[in-house]
Amino acid sequence: QVQLQESGPGLVKPSGTLSLTCAVSGASITVKWWSWVRQPPGKGLEWIGEIYHDGSTNYNPSLKSRVSITVDKADNRFALNLNFVTAADTGVYYCAREGDGGYNLGLWGQGTPVTVSS
Amino acid sequence: EIVLTQSPGTLSLSPGERATLSCKATQSISNTHLAWYQQKPGQAPRLLIYHASTRATGIPDRFSGSGSGTDFTLTISGLEPEDFAVYYCQLYVTSPPTYSFGQGTKLEIK
Repeated sequence: QVQLQESGPGLVKPSGTLSLTCAVSGASITVKWWSWVRQPPGKGLEWIGEIYHDGSTNYNPSLKSRVSITVDKADNRFALNLNFVTAADTGVYYCAREGDGGYNLGLWGQGTPVTVSS
Repeated sequence: EIVLTQSPGTLSLSPGERATLSCKATQSISNTHLAWYQQKPGQAPRLLIYHASTRATGIPDRFSGSGSGTDFTLTISGLEPEDFAVYYCQLYVTSPPTYSFGQGTKLEIK
């Protein structure tokens, strides 16, 4: 059974860096693309970006200047860094895996809440 | 930029009824790039339909997707109590590669 588990600080100071990790179990990270998606409180879903095991990345143009996604094949995990955060970056952050047939997100982690506040 | 607009914003129905949710794109899109998700409070989204009409693994057959071009529909035939949730449509654009979501439709018990 494939599982994704997000982890990281639940509180980040404004202008700081939000750093999260997604641990993958039950499947190799060398297959498929791996994404980060976020959801502000009471609002909809926003895709942040994705990574392939060779390090290739694609980012949401609206966040591209502040985002970095990296992969650690040895530990079967991938990570999100979001710089210069503000209160608008508060929300639940999900990691997800590309689904069957591509062009969709077929498997999601449970999500981790992050609050940006001093 | 292609934008997805979902309607209605909120749909109030009773168990056993049929739900029809709409997702409209501002430009024609490939069916393979359109997916639907269900999200319940406090839970992660769950993939229901991909490639506009293919049910994901384990999804009951009361869920069906249809449409082409700019107009897509998620139909739930015979609503069960566990179906009341928020539903999102999702688009994948290949150049540059990006995902985007509609704003969601809340399906609530009448």
